[in-house]
Amino acid sequence: EVQLVESGGGLVQPGGSLKLSCAASGFTFSGSAMHWVRQASGKGLEWVGRIRSKANSYATAYAASVKGRFTISRDDSKNTAYLQMNSLKTEDTAVYYCTRQGWDWYFDLWGRGTLVTVSS
Amino acid sequence: EIVMTQSPATLSVSPGERATLSCRASQSVSSNLAWYQQKPGQAPRLLIYGASTRATGIPARFSGSGSGTEFTLTISSLQSEDFAVYYCQQYNNWPLTFGQGTKVEIK
Repeated sequence: EVQLVESGGGLVQPGGSLKLSCAASGFTFSGSAMHWVRQASGKGLEWVGRIRSKANSYATAYAASVKGRFTISRDDSKNTAYLQMNSLKTEDTAVYYCTRQGWDWYFDLWGRGTLVTVSS
Repeated sequence: EIVMTQSPATLSVSPGERATLSCRASQSVSSNLAWYQQKPGQAPRLLIYGASTRATGIPARFSGSGSGTEFTLTISSLQSEDFAVYYCQQYNNWPLTFGQGTKVEIK
């Protein structure tokens, strides 16, 4: 089955760190660019960042709101992408979705998401 | 950053009727526009990319049109499973940006 499964969410204090994982199955993960998209409760969707494939030098890009605090990486041997979140702020509270990029910069496969709550 | 504006915020439609959703970009995005459907408690699902190409498995009652700055998603005859929130997303420029969503509710 083609799917993405996120894990690693939870409650963290402001200023803390958390690392999310995204396990992929059913498709050629190594050839796919992967993105993270988040959604605060009752709000819209916000693109967080992406990592390209080895063929594209694992290039990363980030939204301005997380640049310098979040890092995306991947382990193709484990079919897993990661989102390392440091210096977390209350406004980072959201459901974080792992997504697969389609033929262009849109998202043709989404995980079910993992909730990150930043609160004291 | 390109701002995507969707209208209306909420659309009340009876089952079997046509629904027309709009998405406007603050500058041209060519045809680099996607539409997603999100039901409560679920992840979004890709409906349309390239402004008008249906994704795999998407019923023909969903159609997209437009280019440049004005786009439309049309659901020709609403089924019960179509009541959801719909988002547009541009992928012509970085950062990738979404509209704020249109909720399609039962009238």
